Amino acid sequence: QQQVKQSPQSLIVQKGGISIINCAYENTAFDYFPWYQQFPGKGPALLIAIRPDVSEKKEGRFTISFNKSAKQFSLHIMDSQPGDSATYFCAASNTGGFKTIFGAGTRLFVKA
Amino acid sequence: NAGVTQTPKFQVLKTGQSMTLQCAQDMNHNSMYWYRQDPGMGLRLIYYSASEGTTDKGEVPNGYNVSRLNKREFSLRLESAAPSQTSVYFCASTRTPETGELFFGEGSRLTVL
Repeated sequence: QQQVKQSPQSLIVQKGGISIINCAYENTAFDYFPWYQQFPGKGPALLIAIRPDVSEKKEGRFTISFNKSAKQFSLHIMDSQPGDSATYFCAASNTGGFKTIFGAGTRLFVKA
Repeated sequence: NAGVTQTPKFQVLKTGQSMTLQCAQDMNHNSMYWYRQDPGMGLRLIYYSASEGTTDKGEVPNGYNVSRLNKREFSLRLESAAPSQTSVYFCASTRTPETGELFFGEGSRLTVL
């Protein structure tokens, strides 16, 4: 049973546009919500992460918005660039636990 | 720093054959993990090792065994490979579970015919 649902499966955005990827989780014990970026032939790498004590976290062009009551969080990529074309995974885990649960992934393509 | 190193990068097996995927990290991390990645399924945890000397099952452990050889190395063994085990396998590590961030290797692509 998938505990983290991610949408959309794929996304095409024009250069300079905003890319938005959404995730929803079920387990209220989760307290760490990372996003990983994966380029073809490479392993995932941490992009940005948030804990539920804040509603938003911004790092450069990347922002996580977090809605604890709705059990949803999203990744916004501002001024999307062709170099952002990759697969993005949301994930959730609980501090002290060893089981990070991943969403199914979103393949982003940014058109030049 | 090499980070997390996996070998081999590619492998083709016939059904019923066995093989071991090797993983080593040079970051002095305590915890290590094996994930498999399949299209539309994200990454699913096979086994993990919280610390040297311990191993535990993840979401999809059936058909696999693991060995935490020392603090640096964590291997994944397929005793009798099946076509359903065709996948990309990723090894990962964390310093402690509290730090959260997983550091991944570049993956091992396994095809079982």
